Amino acid sequence: KQEVTQIPAALSVPEGENLVLNCSFTDSAIYNLQWFRQDPGKGLTSLLLIQSSQREQTSGRLNASLDKSSGRSTLYIAASQPGDSATYLCAVKRSFGNEKLTFGTGTRLTIIP
Amino acid sequence: NAGVTQTPKFRILKIGQSMTLQCTQDMNHNYMYWYRQDPGMGLKLIYYSVGAGITDKGEVPNGYNVSRSTTEDFPLRLELAAPSQTSVYFCASSEDSLDTQYFGPGTRLTVL
Repeated sequence: KQEVTQIPAALSVPEGENLVLNCSFTDSAIYNLQWFRQDPGKGLTSLLLIQSSQREQTSGRLNASLDKSSGRSTLYIAASQPGDSATYLCAVKRSFGNEKLTFGTGTRLTIIP
Repeated sequence: NAGVTQTPKFRILKIGQSMTLQCTQDMNHNYMYWYRQDPGMGLKLIYYSVGAGITDKGEVPNGYNVSRSTTEDFPLRLELAAPSQTSVYFCASSEDSLDTQYFGPGTRLTVL
């Protein structure tokens, strides 16, 4: 059974710092991995999607990496801003045709001005 | 594009009552999903649909029903509400199985 873990559950960093969020999964047989952002009381917004054949994806100040063999992904945020404060969730998709996304419980990020 | 819209935003039900959570998407996506999010837990898939007229169970389908009569709409029905169904419900859609999922703003449901 796939399990997705995100540690730490909460993180506070000063504005301007670069930071890394971690996601680990127990079954390396995944099709893709997604990083989402969730603001309080809101839905999820997809940030980056990495296919299993890819090593990383970049969008602006965000860079996500994937190491399938070790069951890990990281989300790197450069030059953090107060607007980056949110909960960040990762989710893995096991295989084509299997519609289940297995979500982690998220890391709540606070950027201190 | 409004994206994925959900109604209502909040609802309080008494045990045994029924209700329908509405979900509509205007992106002409084939795939639609219903998730629930409980405090401190990851999102769990309730039901999904790969196209109009086709639905299938997810991880936690008990106590829920769905229908997909059109591409745009994917309502979730609770027939006999129970306190265990207190949660935040999210609807999502995607163009295909491998694509990014787009989420609605959620419905916060409390069953007392």
